Amino acid sequence: EAGVAQSPRYKIIEKRQSVAFWCNPISGHATLYWYQQILGQGPKLLIQFQNNGVVDDSQLPKDRFSAERLKGVDSTLKIQPAKLEDSAVYLCASSSMTGNTEAFFGQGTRLTVV
Amino acid sequence: GQNIDQPTEMTATEGAIVQINCTYQTSGFNGLFWYQQHAGEAPTFLSYNVLDGLEEKGRFSSFLSRSKGYSYLLLKELQMKDSASYLCAVSHNAGGTSYGKLTFGQGTILTVHP
Repeated sequence: EAGVAQSPRYKIIEKRQSVAFWCNPISGHATLYWYQQILGQGPKLLIQFQNNGVVDDSQLPKDRFSAERLKGVDSTLKIQPAKLEDSAVYLCASSSMTGNTEAFFGQGTRLTVV
Repeated sequence: GQNIDQPTEMTATEGAIVQINCTYQTSGFNGLFWYQQHAGEAPTFLSYNVLDGLEEKGRFSSFLSRSKGYSYLLLKELQMKDSASYLCAVSHNAGGTSYGKLTFGQGTILTVHP
């Protein structure tokens, strides 16, 4: 079974630029999560999708972050414009059910904003 | 809101036993996960507790007390490769919905010495 795929693995941008991350979840997984993990901290949930609908986006900074999951499969997370404090690893995860079964994580995208 | 507490760092000796505690305060609790995360890698699933009691899986065991809002991860016969961050994650219902949301603690960095 293929795992969660994310790209790119690394990205360096200047502040005020925009960036997009892509995630392809495990086939058949209805739930998709985007987490932000700052060095030395636990993952922070940004947005959770159930199929193509949003379950929770209460911690998503909506003035600069946006995410979509068209057709309930792949997802993209965008930051525009980026700030220095957005430097982090962005992890995508998927599970077959919402929050009650194991979530499988991708390798993440390490973003550095300079 | 959700509050999840775990120690920041722990050290132990190879071959020993270590217990990592996690306390939580949340509404709509569904269950509690433990994940392992090696430096620079994605979190990987270790265990999931829904009911009170001990779940044993090889060298790793996890305990849950729902009434006390308390869990621990027990690692036996420690090996050098067990040096990693251990993340406690609570599954709870997203506000106003029946969907489970996965919230992580900050993680406990375990260092195993020879």
